[in-house]
Amino acid sequence: EPEVTQTPSHQVTQMGQEVILRCVPISNHLYFYWYRQILGQKVEFLVSFYNNEISEKSEIFDDQFSVERPDGSNFTLKIRSTKLEDSAMYFCASSETENTEAFFGQGTRLTVV
Amino acid sequence: DAKTTQPTSMDCAEGRAANLPCNHSTISGNEYVYWYRQIHSQGPQYIIHGLKNNETNEMASLIITEDRKSSTLILPHATLRDTAVYYCIVIHYNTNAGKSTFGDGTTLTVKP
Repeated sequence: EPEVTQTPSHQVTQMGQEVILRCVPISNHLYFYWYRQILGQKVEFLVSFYNNEISEKSEIFDDQFSVERPDGSNFTLKIRSTKLEDSAMYFCASSETENTEAFFGQGTRLTVV
Repeated sequence: DAKTTQPTSMDCAEGRAANLPCNHSTISGNEYVYWYRQIHSQGPQYIIHGLKNNETNEMASLIITEDRKSSTLILPHATLRDTAVYYCIVIHYNTNAGKSTFGDGTTLTVKP
């Protein structure tokens, strides 16, 4: 069964460093998303991406964040200068169309020290 | 999107049916009811969705009341692996279904 894959599963980084979280969406999906979940809190929408551009973003997704689809398979989330409060699970998701359900990856646990 | 209300937690005996309720009294005619679940720290997993008719798939059944103001997710034979947080989400058909607003959900604990 096709699945969304994310790498790495766990990343530790120092405050102020840049990190790139990687995702390979399901191959025939056209819509891509990033979510985050701070430990013990809700799953929060960050951004959606379609046709090589951001279609929607939340208030959380500020100038420190960026997304990119560098090739035909990968979808990345970059955090430019990490802060302690960026520590969270980051989930990538994809959907076939705008109106179909999203499939989530297993997440990357980001720890900022 | 309409707001949903779910009980904070529920228990269910292994092998029995788990019935998870959701209230969405402000739902509009163009809004779907989606259910996802999250098993401890894993990514949310899609379960099922519906508009007004009852739906069934290999994972669960979704019963939507005639007035569409509430729904029930049914796991027919709960197993220990069904222990998870279950989210009921209402999404307008014209809204990006992947841009979901996850609330607090219902923590279902399946007990031996």
